[in-house]
Amino acid sequence: DADVTQTPRNRITKTGKRIMLECSQTKGHDRMYWYRQDPGLGLRLIYYSFDVKDINKGEISDGYSVSRQAQAKFSLSLESAIPNQTALYFCATSDQGQSFYGYTFGSGTRLTVV
Amino acid sequence: QKEVEQDPGPLSVPEGAIVSLNCTYSNSAFQYFMWYRQYSRKGPELLMYTYSSGNKEDGRFTAQVDKSSKYISLFIRDSQPSDSATYLCAMSAVGGTSYGKLTFGQGTILTVHP
Repeated sequence: DADVTQTPRNRITKTGKRIMLECSQTKGHDRMYWYRQDPGLGLRLIYYSFDVKDINKGEISDGYSVSRQAQAKFSLSLESAIPNQTALYFCATSDQGQSFYGYTFGSGTRLTVV
Repeated sequence: QKEVEQDPGPLSVPEGAIVSLNCTYSNSAFQYFMWYRQYSRKGPELLMYTYSSGNKEDGRFTAQVDKSSKYISLFIRDSQPSDSATYLCAMSAVGGTSYGKLTFGQGTILTVHP
């Protein structure tokens, strides 16, 4: 099994729908992150969580929310999806000691909003 | 202006060539400098990291950091078709608002043809 598992791998949804992307990890890491990747823009941070009770906004959090259900689970929700949220979404984890460089990424969720 | 700038390419080279990938940055607080490699339909994987200025070598890969110029490079010697991927530079700061978070460049798409 992968260290960081994201579900679903692919999703097509309609404008205005609520959608949840899920992430679970077996690394035992405290820190979890959600990034989106767009062509020409690289990876941009949406939300991050340093532990279950510590959740913070990243640089592009508008239109998104998150839930840290347990140390191993971190979900990203789009409350009302819009077409410009079409992107590749990645979940990542790190432990405190390696948080400056040692991220482990999932394989991504490709989301299309039509 | 983005904090980290990376030429997106694409870059196409023949097998055996020396490849040079580069990033510039504006945040002088960055102290950790990383290179991630991302294969198609996969999440980024950490290739190398460097703390502060200097060089680091790992097999065919050499990372260089010049903090005075705010410029980092990744060199790939004897490039192989299996090196074909997107290469992302990333940086983080030990303190301040960037603490514990990675800021990524746009990524450079590299193709090594036989």
